[in-house]
Amino acid sequence: SAVISQKPSRDICQRGTSLTIQCQVDSQVTMMFWYRQQPGQSLTLIATANQGSEATYESGFVIDKFPISRPNLTFSTLTVSNMSPEDSSIYLCSVEDRISYEQYFGPGTRLTVT
Amino acid sequence: GIQVEQSPPDLILQEGANSTLRCNFSDSVNNLQWFHQNPWGQLINLFYIPSGTKQNGRLSATTVATERYSLLYISSSQTTDSGVYFCAVVGRGAQKLVFGQGTRLTINP
Repeated sequence: SAVISQKPSRDICQRGTSLTIQCQVDSQVTMMFWYRQQPGQSLTLIATANQGSEATYESGFVIDKFPISRPNLTFSTLTVSNMSPEDSSIYLCSVEDRISYEQYFGPGTRLTVT
Repeated sequence: GIQVEQSPPDLILQEGANSTLRCNFSDSVNNLQWFHQNPWGQLINLFYIPSGTKQNGRLSATTVATERYSLLYISSSQTTDSGVYFCAVVGRGAQKLVFGQGTRLTINP
């Protein structure tokens, strides 16, 4: 199974600022996914990031608010821009195992916006 | 898109009890996974089970794809089993994992 790390693990940010979250995988993967989990809620997919192409965003999420980079097959970043308290959530990246199709998740980034 | 419903939403049990968690989905699936989210927020893979039955220690899972449901069984519960259990599916022809709302399990000593 893939080993996924995320940085930072948690942060407290002021409203109006931006935070970039990093996701590193220990093997090459085609697709990486970014999810948001608001307090007490389930996980919602933000976007799918393929290397070499623009990310595909789900309904309700836009590139200006959540720009994503995917410079290579083991790394991706998600930026939460112009933050408001409503952006306080856990942000998780995940990857799909190319052989088993099972998805694995990173440890998450717990973001609090004040 | 595909819908995923989990029941019950909350379950409180004493240590040593057995439990059954259910996941219903609205369409055919290529992938079904069960996860345990611990109190620190980490999602732990329990089972990849688009069909059939699997067992891992005190946990087992069964998916009946033709009837569009999956069951997660936890036997002899321990306090460390507490947390939220999520079922998530990938529908036929899709790529994204769609999560249910979860079952919050509390095991009291």
